Amino acid sequence: GAVVSQHPSRVICKSGTSVKIECRSLDFQATTMFWYRQFPKQSLMLMATSNEGSKATYEQGVEKDKFLINHASLTLSTLTVTSAHPEDSSFYICSARAPVDQETQYFGPGTRLLVL
Amino acid sequence: RKEVEQDPGPFNVPEGATVAFNCTYSNSASQSFFWYRQDCRKEPKLLMSVYSSGNEDGRFTAQLNRASQYISLLIRDSKLSDSATYLCVVNTPDSSNTGKLIFGQGTTLQVKP
Repeated sequence: GAVVSQHPSRVICKSGTSVKIECRSLDFQATTMFWYRQFPKQSLMLMATSNEGSKATYEQGVEKDKFLINHASLTLSTLTVTSAHPEDSSFYICSARAPVDQETQYFGPGTRLLVL
Repeated sequence: RKEVEQDPGPFNVPEGATVAFNCTYSNSASQSFFWYRQDCRKEPKLLMSVYSSGNEDGRFTAQLNRASQYISLLIRDSKLSDSATYLCVVNTPDSSNTGKLIFGQGTTLQVKP
């Protein structure tokens, strides 16, 4: 199956710093990628849909100025958590829509963020 | 009301047991349905899609009842390696052509020797 990578796999940072997470589709082109967040013992929550060459679409309640998304190429989307605070500590997972079966998403391994 | 609801469990069963998970969804316009498996601190992985006619993949059987907006997953002859969280996932229409995935909270399964 298709492979999606994320980098870094985990990050620890001080409150107030910005953190960038990369999501790459390794063997296919992804015009659409998704960013999810998962808090402990909760479900994955869609944060935003990232579209190559256009602005991301954010879900209700997600601050677009705090979670900056850039999808500059067909294989890379980035999520930047600006001025991170301890409540932003979570498991961030990206996915890419499959090129043929549009209902299938391939998930990256996730990035665990801890803000001190 | 949550869009996708599951009993979080945990379900503790012995090896070889048969276990069933249930899920309900609220949006009647939902078009496609899936079961994902998520291991501790890992990303979710697609287990199987769910079709109206019901479908089977080895020890796993999934069923969909559109009238009741109800999805189920049956695992026969449980193995220790089946221990994980099982996520019920629904593709819900939105402004795009292909919709977005809505995840249930997940049901945790622990298979004991």
